[in-house]
Amino acid sequence: DTGVSQDPRHKITKRGQNVTFRCDPISEHNRLYWYRQTLGQGPEFLTYFQNEAQLEKSRLLSDRFSAERPKGSFSTLEIQRTEQGDSAMYLCASSFGQTNTEAFFGQGTRLTVV
Amino acid sequence: AQSVAQPEDQVNVAEGNPLTVKCTYSVSGNPYLFWYVQYPNRGLQFLLKYITGDNLVKGSYGFEAEFNKSQTSFHLKKPSALVSDSALYFCAVRVISGSARQLTFGSGTQLTVLP
Repeated sequence: DTGVSQDPRHKITKRGQNVTFRCDPISEHNRLYWYRQTLGQGPEFLTYFQNEAQLEKSRLLSDRFSAERPKGSFSTLEIQRTEQGDSAMYLCASSFGQTNTEAFFGQGTRLTVV
Repeated sequence: AQSVAQPEDQVNVAEGNPLTVKCTYSVSGNPYLFWYVQYPNRGLQFLLKYITGDNLVKGSYGFEAEFNKSQTSFHLKKPSALVSDSALYFCAVRVISGSARQLTFGSGTQLTVLP
């Protein structure tokens, strides 16, 4: 499969625990995005990498959230001290080249905080 | 700031009839516009995009969209709907200039094609 891969697909965690999600973009794609989607809403932008550099962060990305993309390949999104409000689908997307190119999305990681 | 509005939460259409899913946008500059489709428990799939040129854009699965700059709209259309087109559709915008690279999405329109 040469698409965007996300792991795990589902995560249930207790409030206050830390969780980490992984995204493997399409191999030649230099741009990587994280979005969050809650039920009945469109995806909301969280953060953006160009290669290994994190170039944009949304105000939605509180200090409990951190993302990395070491070596400009895969990316991780960590949420510390999870809260029930963090329950959502976390989507990763990647694209190549200029801003007119479309982003390809992974199937997402569904997080449930209990 | 950029924003997208999808005024209809739900669109129902009979199989074989034409369908339209509406989208309007607001940006401070020239936009790149996209349509994505989402099936249950799946990620978003790219359908089509408007970058420049011809206002009528053709995409995957027989879908097309018309860019209207004066009305700041980018409605998704298909001449003959299929039951398998039933899904959640998202319009998204990205500005051409500036440092922002993220897509801003609308809230989505649930399309149901009735057999």
